[in-house]
Amino acid sequence: SQQGEEDPQALSIQEGENATMNCSYKTSINNLQWYRQNSGRGLVHLILIRSNEREKHSGRLRVTLDTSKKSSSLLITASRAADTASYFCATDATGNTGKLIFGQGTTLQVKP
Amino acid sequence: GAVVSQHPSRVICKSGTSVKIECRSLDFQATTMFWYRQFPKQSLMLMATSNEGSKATYEQGVEKDKFLINHASLTLSTLTVTSAHPEDSSFYICSARQGVNTIYFGEGSWLTVV
Repeated sequence: SQQGEEDPQALSIQEGENATMNCSYKTSINNLQWYRQNSGRGLVHLILIRSNEREKHSGRLRVTLDTSKKSSSLLITASRAADTASYFCATDATGNTGKLIFGQGTTLQVKP
Repeated sequence: GAVVSQHPSRVICKSGTSVKIECRSLDFQATTMFWYRQFPKQSLMLMATSNEGSKATYEQGVEKDKFLINHASLTLSTLTVTSAHPEDSSFYICSARQGVNTIYFGEGSWLTVV
């Protein structure tokens, strides 16, 4: 399969709780990116982490990367109803072609 | 505002006809653009890499004669779905690379074939 794996496939939490999504991939990468997609809409870029980085923060987002395990996690803290969306990881393989391979995605529902 | 624009955002066409989707980079030149397809409740699947001034590179399993890609200028790539059938109904989205690490996505185009 071209795509990596993400888990969970679906996640439902209460507002204020934290949400953690995991992503695994198969090839060596230059960087890994996380995107959000609201239903029926385009992609919103959230954060990029390079292969030589282990952790990155942006506001309420925290991303980790473990290249030895070929995995990444996205943590959203203090979730809000507006965070309800699908979240995808995408890898840019070594060689930095710009060609992104997307994970299967996690659908997050944050209940008010 | 958007740095990559797609048009049309929604299109309905009859089975057997062809439909063209445009992807434009605004305010920057993109020698490489990418086309993805996304079926409902699924992830994005890379279809092809669009190369300015040369032939597109298609991913395995994507029919190049059905999905014609033209990248005639540094700011425009087009995807033409030829002889469209209902199973081609999908969300098509493009991306353009600016510099080394920056990739911008278009807003996507919904295609419905009836």
